[in-house]
Amino acid sequence: EPEVTQTPSHQVTQMGQEVILRCVPISNHLYFYWYRQILGQKVEFLVSFYNNEISEKSEIFDDQFSVERPDGSNFTLKIRSTKLEDSAMYFCARGLAGVTETQYFGPGTRLLVL
Amino acid sequence: AQSVAQPEDQVNVAEGNPLTVKCTYSVSGNPYLFWYVQYPNRGLQFLLKYITGDNLVKGSYGFEAEFNKSQTSFHLKKPSALVSDSALYFCAVREAGRRALTFGSGTRLQVQP
Repeated sequence: EPEVTQTPSHQVTQMGQEVILRCVPISNHLYFYWYRQILGQKVEFLVSFYNNEISEKSEIFDDQFSVERPDGSNFTLKIRSTKLEDSAMYFCARGLAGVTETQYFGPGTRLLVL
Repeated sequence: AQSVAQPEDQVNVAEGNPLTVKCTYSVSGNPYLFWYVQYPNRGLQFLLKYITGDNLVKGSYGFEAEFNKSQTSFHLKKPSALVSDSALYFCAVREAGRRALTFGSGTRLQVQP
């Protein structure tokens, strides 16, 4: 199964700056997800996105975060005002609807907030 | 709430020997269970999943996993380990009606030649 592609692969930003992480699904899947993995910790769910709406989100996904699919292909995660603790690997995933869904992950974007 | 436990931070096994990576879960309804593998500086690669049916599921690269409802476990197994299997393995669960995967803390598998 082909994965998604993510850009950039690495990003360094200053605390308080806005960052936009991008995900480009290779095939036409319906569900999109963002997860993050803080160094040395477990992978955590942030948000799921379906039909241009958030379908589920975690406690981590507060007002600082937003997602959209502005042009019908790229799926973006925006962090409005980054904090040091936002430093992590951010993974995009895609899936099909249905109970048997498998989520396929991209290679990730490593975000470092200084 | 859904949760996953991987009790071993690291598993060491000699090449050619069988391997087991343990996973237990907790969900309020029917569980959908997954194993992913992560190689250094790579994303998560899907290995296999249990949705329903046969308790023994087979996946990529010769891996298999056994679903045990009474023990709420989903251990990953392989009959003969390869050095190239060395990686970080994550168990994940999704309960019916939810989209989010909940991951375990990961188990590092080290296969020695």
